[in-house]
Amino acid sequence: KAGVTQTPRYLIKTRGQQVTLSCSPISGHRSVSWYQQTPGQGLQFLFEYFSETQRNKGNFPGRFSGRQFSNSRSEMNVSTLELGDSALYLCASTRWGASSTDTQYFGPGTRLTVL
Amino acid sequence: GNSVTQMEGPVTLSEEAFLTINCTYTATGYPSLFWYVQYPGEGLQLLLKATKADDKGSNKGFEATYRKETTSFHLEKGSVQVSDSAVYFCALSTLSTQGGSEKLVFGKGTKLTVNP
Repeated sequence: KAGVTQTPRYLIKTRGQQVTLSCSPISGHRSVSWYQQTPGQGLQFLFEYFSETQRNKGNFPGRFSGRQFSNSRSEMNVSTLELGDSALYLCASTRWGASSTDTQYFGPGTRLTVL
Repeated sequence: GNSVTQMEGPVTLSEEAFLTINCTYTATGYPSLFWYVQYPGEGLQLLLKATKADDKGSNKGFEATYRKETTSFHLEKGSVQVSDSAVYFCALSTLSTQGGSEKLVFGKGTKLTVNP
């Protein structure tokens, strides 16, 4: 079974631009979560989608948004990029995401560099 | 709120040495506990998990026991290999009151280097 895939793997943008990252979950998984990883803040939860609806959101500004499509693929968008948005963005999928015992499976991440 | 505290690294060991990485947590309710591993340039891989008190998770020679009385989930391996060099993250999973979905809360990570 194919794992979680994320595209692109690497991105370089300049301040003020916007960016869209894509995540394809494991087949049959309907919950997709996004996390930001930085050296200073570590791994932080951005948001979670299930059946095209955002169910949960972390403490990030409104410049960070996402969506999920009917095939469970998800995208996240960051508008008006700031230098501090440079990070590894990780996507994780799980079948339902409605139990604390569910395991989240992670993709390889998208490395975003903002210049 | 929910939080995870794990020992700061880096940790440097010789091959075949014994490994312990400490992890303690604070949580409301009954979280599940996880160890994830991240190799250079890669995403997170699940190493092991435990979903209730006294459960022991194990995989690839690594073990961790869910200790509710000490709110701990320490990672151990009896004999490390060079290939175990990576960053290890302890995490807990809880159901959010917002939407009923789970989310992971991670520790800061511990970098392990194993020398031949």
